Amino acid sequence: TQLLEQSPQFLSIQEGENLTVYCNSSSVFSSLQWYRQEPGEGPVLLVTVVTGGEVKKLKRLTFQFGDARKDSSLHITAAQPGDTGLYLCAGALYGQNFVFGPGTRLSVLP
Amino acid sequence: DAGVIQSPRHEVTEMGQEVTLRCKPISGHNSLFWYRQTMMRGLELLIYFNNNVPIDDSGMPEDRFSAKMPNASFSTLKIQPSEPRDSAVYFCASSPWGSGKTQYFGPGTRLLVL
Repeated sequence: TQLLEQSPQFLSIQEGENLTVYCNSSSVFSSLQWYRQEPGEGPVLLVTVVTGGEVKKLKRLTFQFGDARKDSSLHITAAQPGDTGLYLCAGALYGQNFVFGPGTRLSVLP
Repeated sequence: DAGVIQSPRHEVTEMGQEVTLRCKPISGHNSLFWYRQTMMRGLELLIYFNNNVPIDDSGMPEDRFSAKMPNASFSTLKIQPSEPRDSAVYFCASSPWGSGKTQYFGPGTRLLVL
């Protein structure tokens, strides 16, 4: 069983649409990260959240850490083809290394 | 600054052959991770080292897989003998010392075993 679940598994949308992807667990994390992986590349860190309820913004991307520190969401406003990729969340239990979820594969069509 | 360096970027081999993947972590990073990524299973942690010492190899699938880190700037992942089901993208990542530190990934080695 996966420590982290991500939904949806796949998402295909038109350019300009908004979307939200989710990362859920029954465990409490000391911190949680979101990565984006483009085809042929390794995952690249987008953001780290450490406080329950924390919201961080990165241009058109908004990240939220759940109050109970068990889940997180990533919202993209006005998606662009350049947002296409695999979005991975990774959670660190206290004193442990980060563990990765299975990812959401996003395709933004022009 | 150079990131994590992996070689080769692509490897095609025949079943039964030995495969060696190489990784140079970011200078100053004390932890090194080897992952395998497939469509079916996602990103799986195979093994990680702290200060060149293997800490957790519970993700290594079988005895055919072995990893070494002879010094702080070099690590290898070896598969002997290779099988078609080993086909995947293998990533190396490094991080500063301590739990919960950000991992920096290399570009990966795409392995195809025929």
